[in-house]
Amino acid sequence: AQKVTQAQTEISVVEKEDVTLDCVYETRDTTYYLFWYKQPPSGELVFLIRRNSFDEQNEISGRYSWNFQKSTSSFNFTITASQVVDSAVYFCALSEVTNAGKSTFGDGTTLTVKP
Amino acid sequence: NAGVMQNPRHLVRRRGQEARLRCSPMKGHSHVYWYRQLPEEGLKFMVYLQKENIIDESGMPKERFSAEFPKEGPSILRIQQVVRGDSAAYFCASSPAPLLYNEQFFGPGTRLTVL
Repeated sequence: AQKVTQAQTEISVVEKEDVTLDCVYETRDTTYYLFWYKQPPSGELVFLIRRNSFDEQNEISGRYSWNFQKSTSSFNFTITASQVVDSAVYFCALSEVTNAGKSTFGDGTTLTVKP
Repeated sequence: NAGVMQNPRHLVRRRGQEARLRCSPMKGHSHVYWYRQLPEEGLKFMVYLQKENIIDESGMPKERFSAEFPKEGPSILRIQQVVRGDSAAYFCASSPAPLLYNEQFFGPGTRLTVL
């Protein structure tokens, strides 16, 4: 069975600080996809990244970066020089080959960036 | 190219009434997924449909909930005899092929409040 754990329920930082959101997953499949989504206070879901299990390269997109480590089953997300607009709930999600129709989401991490 | 559309965005029902939530996938997408987000929680998979077929309904409550995706028209999530515990945000997502090969595109969600 697939499972996603986001151990950090809430994180609060001051603007310009770096912050890392942790995501640990469990799966029996060798082929799977990992995702990060942002849910701002307005409530919609914003897709941030998708990573497949065969691609362990870290990715950087502006102030965002992702560290995928299969050895520890982790897919952590770092925001560099955080801004107030980064305040949101962030979800990590997993989809397995054998469950191609569905994603399993973590419970989310609420990030508050204070000015 | 319009994104995934959901309506209504907000729905208020009294206990015992029926709720109908609609999802129009992106153009060219024939796969639809419904998720439920209870307050302060992550998204939980409910059902995966292709045109005229339910592929996976393992996340659907056994009673009062049903879903369809007809050949023509939007996908409908129907909740009969709503109870207060049904109050949640319901998200629809679509993809052009099984999730594993493409990301899911999420709609803005329908927020159901049961009085």
